[in-house]
Amino acid sequence: NAGVMQNPRHLVRRRGQEARLRCSPMKGHSHVYWYRQLPEEGLKFMVYLQKENIIDESGMPKERFSAEFPKEGPSILRIQQVVRGDSAAYFCASSPGDAGAGTQYFGPGTRLLVL
Amino acid sequence: GENVEQHPSTLSVQEGDSAVIKCTYSDSASNYFPWYKQELGKRPQLIIDIRSNVGEKKDQRIAVTLNKTAKHFSLHITETQPEDSAVYFCAACRGTDDMRFGAGTRLTVKP
Repeated sequence: NAGVMQNPRHLVRRRGQEARLRCSPMKGHSHVYWYRQLPEEGLKFMVYLQKENIIDESGMPKERFSAEFPKEGPSILRIQQVVRGDSAAYFCASSPGDAGAGTQYFGPGTRLLVL
Repeated sequence: GENVEQHPSTLSVQEGDSAVIKCTYSDSASNYFPWYKQELGKRPQLIIDIRSNVGEKKDQRIAVTLNKTAKHFSLHITETQPEDSAVYFCAACRGTDDMRFGAGTRLTVKP
């Protein structure tokens, strides 16, 4: 059973471009979470999705950031018109979503560098 | 929403000593408390977790304790080894809700 997959692992963008980060959850997991980690800092929650639904996006910046988890395919975190402050590691995690669960398994992360 | 505080931010111990990291949380409805270890440049790895119906859990050299009344939980590492050096994050959540992380503790184990 493959773990959580993220791609690309590294992404370089110039200011104003768009960044698309992909996350494929573990097989059988229906819940996906996105976290951002700035250099030398902790993990900050961004958004929690289930298939075709955004459950909690309270950690997402109001502008330029969006996320989706379509019925088919990976979850996508999209950052429009990137700025230097968006440079960070973006981790996605997945969980099975069973009652009483909550255990989240992390992907390897996408390291975004905005020039 | 949930607020998790973690202390200390850095911790240095001699190999073989014990290390203790403490976290407090604010939401009394939180019922799941995992601990993650993150080595430099790597993903956070789940090392141990505890649910609110349990007061203590142990796995070899690692143990976690939970005090629901005081809303704090702790990670204990005994007989520390250099490979335990990493950043450790505590977290709290309710069921499958989003997880709120502490700011992290950078543990250094000196040989």
